[in-house]
Amino acid sequence: DTQMTQSPSSLSASLGDRVTIACQASQDISHYLNWYQQKPGKAPKLLIYEASKLETGLPSRFSGSGSATYFVLTISSLQPEDVATYYCQQYDSFPYTFGQGTKLEIK
Amino acid sequence: EVHLVESGGGLVQPGGSLRLSCEASGFTFSKYSMHWVRQAPGKGLEWVAYISTTGNNIHYVESVKGRFAVSRDNVKNSVYLQMSGLRGEDTAVYYCARDPVSGSAPPFDSWGQGTPVTVSS
Repeated sequence: DTQMTQSPSSLSASLGDRVTIACQASQDISHYLNWYQQKPGKAPKLLIYEASKLETGLPSRFSGSGSATYFVLTISSLQPEDVATYYCQQYDSFPYTFGQGTKLEIK
Repeated sequence: EVHLVESGGGLVQPGGSLRLSCEASGFTFSKYSMHWVRQAPGKGLEWVAYISTTGNNIHYVESVKGRFAVSRDNVKNSVYLQMSGLRGEDTAVYYCARDPVSGSAPPFDSWGQGTPVTVSS
């Protein structure tokens, strides 16, 4: 199975800050990686697919990069509505696996 | 508008069974594979099961193999998760999510609201 490791597990940043969350795969997954945002009591929301493609209708402050085993989600300027937990997920091979999550808060 | 609506969750005793349903609308269901994903209270997301468009290709996470069975009915636009031999560690909110066969949309672009399952005596 492909293990997905996110860092950090939690993060506190100020409004307007640039925020980065990393995700490392235990084996090469090419570009088959999604990033999600999840707010309490809600279903996950797809942000980025194929490692770097922004889901339709989402603000351009979200971006993704990386390939093979190392990936990064970047929020260019942190907004209050970005407070949430973020997950990466590989869909290169079954069983599909998620990172453990990164909880983002406002400082 | 795409809608996925899960139902069938509830309280069940250890060793018991439960059948979850996910009804789809707003898109051509038969052109999408489907997934079940769960989230235990206060924990992260765990992928559970996959079923292809025709149901002839199925995958499970190791921890549910032999206990859970995924199926679908393309006439009723629904996917199901039959859960048996339930354990405390199966307690979670269960979500369904869609996955296009073609590149018409990204995988997991739409999710249901989830249905909670509690396994307890």
